[in-house]
Amino acid sequence: DAGITQSPRHKVTETGTPVTLRCHQTENHRYMYWYRQDPGHGLRLIHYSYGVKDTDKGEVSDGYSVSRSKTEDFLLTLESATSSQTSVYFCAISGQTYNEQFFGPGTRLTVL
Amino acid sequence: DAKTTQPTSMDCAEGRAANLPCNHSTISGNEYVYWYRQIHSQGPQYIIHGLKNNETNEMASLIITEDRKSSTLILPHATLRDTAVYYCIAETYGGSQGNLIFGKGTKLSVKP
Repeated sequence: DAGITQSPRHKVTETGTPVTLRCHQTENHRYMYWYRQDPGHGLRLIHYSYGVKDTDKGEVSDGYSVSRSKTEDFLLTLESATSSQTSVYFCAISGQTYNEQFFGPGTRLTVL
Repeated sequence: DAKTTQPTSMDCAEGRAANLPCNHSTISGNEYVYWYRQIHSQGPQYIIHGLKNNETNEMASLIITEDRKSSTLILPHATLRDTAVYYCIAETYGGSQGNLIFGKGTKLSVKP
């Protein structure tokens, strides 16, 4: 299995608080992605990174920011969490072939 | 990106072959067919991909029709652990910086 970890695995927070989720890889892959998964919507891309300090928006980027200061870490930040951001968040990585992605175990976030 | 159509759900007896169909009638010449699966509450797992030739790996076989308008993922000897949602995705190789459109997939239930 690809070396991907996500932290925390579960988090409960209150509306208006900042939240940062971390994705860490040991594969030295160039590409990293953040998805969210909600019932009825499947997986949707939030942001992705194609290298250190190189990031771009995905389909549902509003309310989220990302940073990648090292190859191995990709951070997802909710500046001011809202209840609509309650979801399961998955990080993924890929090497030379973008579409062969390896996914982390997910983070379940609940915003009250 | 080509749209794919899959049955909502399928059943398969343990030990038998599971054949999961996917229609992609508008697929373009440079789009590959990718298959992923997601076992309950885990991150999606890459299975296989192909362009026009049939492909086989340790997990599954992929049969693509000659006109490339449909394909079938075959799990040769399904086990209970193969119970999952299976996603068929059509995407250019390296296209969209890896923004995979997962859709709703087929829920495969393998029964003893």
